[in-house]
Amino acid sequence: QVQLQESGPGLVKPSQTLSLSCTVSGGSISSAAAYWSWVRQPAGKGPEWIGRIHPTGITDYNPSLQSRVSISIDASRNQFSLILNSVTAADTAVYYCVRVGRGLVGVYNHYFMDVWGRGATVAVSS
Amino acid sequence: DVQLTQSPSFLSASVGDRVTITCRASQGITRSLAWYQQKPGQAPKLLIYAASTLQNGVPSRFSGSGSGTEFTLAISSLQPEDFATYYCQQLNSFPWYTFGQGTKLDLK
Repeated sequence: QVQLQESGPGLVKPSQTLSLSCTVSGGSISSAAAYWSWVRQPAGKGPEWIGRIHPTGITDYNPSLQSRVSISIDASRNQFSLILNSVTAADTAVYYCVRVGRGLVGVYNHYFMDVWGRGATVAVSS
Repeated sequence: DVQLTQSPSFLSASVGDRVTITCRASQGITRSLAWYQQKPGQAPKLLIYAASTLQNGVPSRFSGSGSGTEFTLAISSLQPEDFATYYCQQLNSFPWYTFGQGTKLDLK
C-alpha cells in the first residue's frame, strides 16, 4: 500500500524559504494517484489546502498562497516537493503530504484525500 | 470561493449515543464532500467521500448524507475511539479542497 513520508528542516527563519519533500513508497508517483497534494495545519486550527500536482506536472494552488508557493514532482526519485517563499510566523504549522485518490460513484468521479504522511512540523522563527 | 460551515463546533456525548454533525456549503457542491476524523498528534483519516460512500475499513456506524449545500455525518453508536475532531471538505469548486472549521467531539 502507498505510504508517504515528509522530510525537511523543522526551523526556518522569517523571510526565508521553506522547502519540504515527500517520498512515495509502495507505488509509483506517476500512476498511484489522481493528484499529489500538500496540506498544512497550524496548531489548534483546521487544515488548509496548499496546492496539488498532477502526475503530469500540472499544478493548482490555493489563491491565498499562490504568489509564494511552488510544487514540483521528481518521478525518478518518486518524490514531490513544496517550496514556500518569504515565510512569516503565520506559516508555522504541521505540513502534510497527501495522496488525492479518485473513485467512481454512480457515473461520476469523486476525489478524496485517502493517504496522508505523518506530518512535518515547521516553525518559522529567528 | 466555497466556504464550509460546520455545526456544532463542540459536541459532548456519551458512549452509545447517536450524534450528527452538519456541514453547510456557501454554494452548491453536488455530492463532492468528504469527512475526516483527526485525533491529537495524528493526520486526518478519511471516513466518507462523495457525501455518503464509506471508505474501506471504516466502521458501518459512520454514515454520511446530503447533496448540494447541506451535508450530515452521523455516528450511530459512539465508541470510545470515536472521540476526536471531525472535518468536512469540499472537492468540487476552486479553490479546491476547502475544509470546514471542525467539530470537536468529546466525552460528556
